[in-house]
Amino acid sequence: ELKVEQNPLFLSMQEGKNYTIYCNYSTTSDRLYWYRQDPGKSLESLFVLLSNGAVKQEGRLMASLDTKARLSTLHITAAVHDLSATYFCAVDRKQGGSEKLVFGKGTKLTVNP
Amino acid sequence: NAGVTQTPKFRVLKTGQSMTLLCAQDMNHEYMYWYRQDPGMGLRLIHYSVGEGTTAKGEVPDGYNVSRLKKQNFLLGLESAAPSQTSVYFCASSSRVLGNTEAFFGQGTRLTVV
Repeated sequence: ELKVEQNPLFLSMQEGKNYTIYCNYSTTSDRLYWYRQDPGKSLESLFVLLSNGAVKQEGRLMASLDTKARLSTLHITAAVHDLSATYFCAVDRKQGGSEKLVFGKGTKLTVNP
Repeated sequence: NAGVTQTPKFRVLKTGQSMTLLCAQDMNHEYMYWYRQDPGMGLRLIHYSVGEGTTAKGEVPDGYNVSRLKKQNFLLGLESAAPSQTSVYFCASSSRVLGNTEAFFGQGTRLTVV
């Protein structure tokens, strides 16, 4: 069974600091996704990582994928308050010829002034 | 372009009542999913569909049924609601045509069972 683990689950950081969120998964997969969710809102797609070594950047966020280590990271550079949200990683799983999307429990990020 | 639309957005049910949540997508996506989100649990997959007329069970299917009679619609039914089904429900859809499984989500349905 595919399991997706994120850490930390809660992260409180000061503006201007850097930090990394980790996403580990238990079975082989070549596709990993990062989503952002603001309180009371839906999920918004941030990054799609489709192959080993993939790196994508958008503003202060950078995501990478190492399929051999079954690990993805979401790096935050010089955090600002607007980045406060919950971040989810998700991994595809093929089962019985179809594919499911399995999510981690999320990392709640709070950026303090 | 509406994307993924869920109906209703809020609902309060009494224990034992039934209801149907509707998810509609206008992106011609093959795959559709129903998730529930509870505090500290992330998103858990209830049921999913890989095409019109097909459905499959996810991680937490008990107490729910689904149907996908039309490609654009995915219905989630609660036959006899229980307080444990109080949650926020999200529908999502994705395409496999380009080898990209990025999922797009609806706004969510907040369901309370009393």
